[in-house]
Amino acid sequence: DAGITQSPRHKVTETGTPVTLRCHQTENHRYMYWYRQDPGHGLRLIHYSYGVKDTDKGEVSDGYSVSRSKTEDFLLTLESATSSQTSVYFCAISSSYNEQFFGPGTRLTVL
Amino acid sequence: QKEVEQDPGPLSVPEGAIVSLNCTYSNSAFQYFMWYRQYSRKGPELLMYTYSSGNKEDGRFTAQVDKSSKYISLFIRDSQPSDSATYLCAMSVTDSWGKFQFGAGTQVVVTP
Repeated sequence: DAGITQSPRHKVTETGTPVTLRCHQTENHRYMYWYRQDPGHGLRLIHYSYGVKDTDKGEVSDGYSVSRSKTEDFLLTLESATSSQTSVYFCAISSSYNEQFFGPGTRLTVL
Repeated sequence: QKEVEQDPGPLSVPEGAIVSLNCTYSNSAFQYFMWYRQYSRKGPELLMYTYSSGNKEDGRFTAQVDKSSKYISLFIRDSQPSDSATYLCAMSVTDSWGKFQFGAGTQVVVTP
């Protein structure tokens, strides 16, 4: 998985609780992305980063925040989890804007 | 209407057959076209990437882009059971910070 790890790999949480997912890369790539994948929707971009402390919103950013304090780490936080945020979350990295390499995913269930 | 449309399948073919996959899109500014393969419960892996129009071949895989029709295709020759996966198309515009638009994916099943 191109030197990308995600943690946790599985999580079950309750509605209203905050949740943080971590993406860690060993490739020193500049760009990092968070996607969610749901049946019938494919991959949808939540937030992305183009450098340390440089982040921006994607297509489905409501209810999510991100932080990137080091090149290798990109955190996704669900401020107050809702059942609609039950999904599989993928992190991706890129050294150019033409290719992205994906992590193994985090399966999140919000009860 | 979604910017990228992809038939979800499933597409079932016998081993050895040619698999034909396609996506249509509406944004004429797309310049980069990618195909990813995703096995069940795994992350997508990049198969091929093409810039602008034309064909690209890599082993058993051929990617085609027809910008005039806003249509891209992926062909898998001599399909194997190990090709059973979901195939996602993706595309982006120049200087878009890699903000890809993905199709929903087509599930392919290759039967022995």
